[in-house]
Amino acid sequence: AQSVAQPEDQVNVAEGNPLTVKCTYSVSGNPYLFWYVQYPNRGLQFLLKYITGDNLVKGSYGFEAEFNKSQTSFHLKKPSALVSDSALYFCAVRDLALNRDDKIIFGKGTRLHILP
Amino acid sequence: NAGVTQTPKFQVLKTGQSMTLQCAQDMNHEYMSWYRQDPGMGLRLIHYSVGAGITDQGEVPNGYNVSRSTTEDFPLRLLSAAPSQTSVYFCASSYMQGQPQHFGDGTRLSIL
Repeated sequence: AQSVAQPEDQVNVAEGNPLTVKCTYSVSGNPYLFWYVQYPNRGLQFLLKYITGDNLVKGSYGFEAEFNKSQTSFHLKKPSALVSDSALYFCAVRDLALNRDDKIIFGKGTRLHILP
Repeated sequence: NAGVTQTPKFQVLKTGQSMTLQCAQDMNHEYMSWYRQDPGMGLRLIHYSVGAGITDQGEVPNGYNVSRSTTEDFPLRLLSAAPSQTSVYFCASSYMQGQPQHFGDGTRLSIL
């Protein structure tokens, strides 16, 4: 079965600095990867996805993610952090090798704090 | 454009009571799902539906029932509430299974 890990419960970054939120995954076939963001008292919002093609994927709010097949990682990045980026971030994976059981599995989430 | 609407936003129940969490979407999405979010646990799939009349169990289905009589609505029923079901519940939809989902703003449920 597929799995996804977010090794950091919390990441602190100074405003204006680059940020990285880490995600690693395990699938039996090719992965379909997602990043979502959750602001307080709101549902998750889709940021970006990777299914095939360029390893660097651009998404909403200036975020991008780098797919690395050899390291089975899909880290979320932003060149210059904003205080408004402070939120809970979720990585998710779907195993494209599975047909009927192709549910999306979410990581436990990483809380990002951007310090003014 | 309402997207995914969940009601109620907050609810307090006593152990043993039953209730239904409502979820409606106006995007004509075939796939709908229910998750619970608990601290340190991420999101766990409870039940899902790939279309009207079709439902299936997710990772943590015990104590919950669902039905999908229309494309728009996907209610979640707690049969006999237990304190372990205290959580935040999210409904989500997508045009098909495995695609990026739209989430509602959640129902915060406390079981005393």
